[in-house]
Amino acid sequence: QVQLQESGPGLVKPSQTLSLTCTVSGGSINSGSYYWNWIRQPAGKGLEWIGRFYSIGSTSYNPSLESRATISVDTSKNHFSLTLSSVTAADTAVYYCARSGDGGYDFDFWGQGTLVTVSS
Amino acid sequence: IQMTQSPSSLSASVGDRVTITCRASQNIVNYLNWYQQKPGKAPKLLILGASSLHDGRFSGSGSGTDFALTISSLQPDDFATYYCHQSLSMPHTFGLGTKLDIK
Repeated sequence: QVQLQESGPGLVKPSQTLSLTCTVSGGSINSGSYYWNWIRQPAGKGLEWIGRFYSIGSTSYNPSLESRATISVDTSKNHFSLTLSSVTAADTAVYYCARSGDGGYDFDFWGQGTLVTVSS
Repeated sequence: IQMTQSPSSLSASVGDRVTITCRASQNIVNYLNWYQQKPGKAPKLLILGASSLHDGRFSGSGSGTDFALTISSLQPDDFATYYCHQSLSMPHTFGLGTKLDIK
């Protein structure tokens, strides 16, 4: 069974860059037709899809964040990462990584989530 | 694509049958998934493709712009927040959620 685990700093200062990593176990990040996603959720609010990486090397982003978000992958470590630049308090949220199955139409496995607070 | 869920909150009793609806701002065919989220936990996939079961105690229906999630005979473990999610087009978008609590 695939498992995902987010890691990274829990506190980031305004205007700095947020960096998170999602480590995948129980399967190779480079195998199959899977998509690897980042999704976030501000406290008490709904879910926002940030972007995704496809195992053949393509990425897609939410236009609302595209200018600030970058998703990269390290197949040797079986993990993928999110960087979000020029953060503000509005970027404070729980950040989840999640896998999409074949076709990328659903999020079938999720990490537990990690809270990132943007504050000075 | 905007996803509108209703109601935003719902109180029900163990054993009740409940239905939550989700409307898309344009035709999404059947590219609609449902998730359950409990406090402090990640969402869990319940239904994919509008009606394909991922978890046997829940059923989904609908196509085009109007969809529904039905929980038959509520169990204590079902009290949570439910989200719909469209995956027809980018960016993927979610409804704002329906919080189901105990009456």
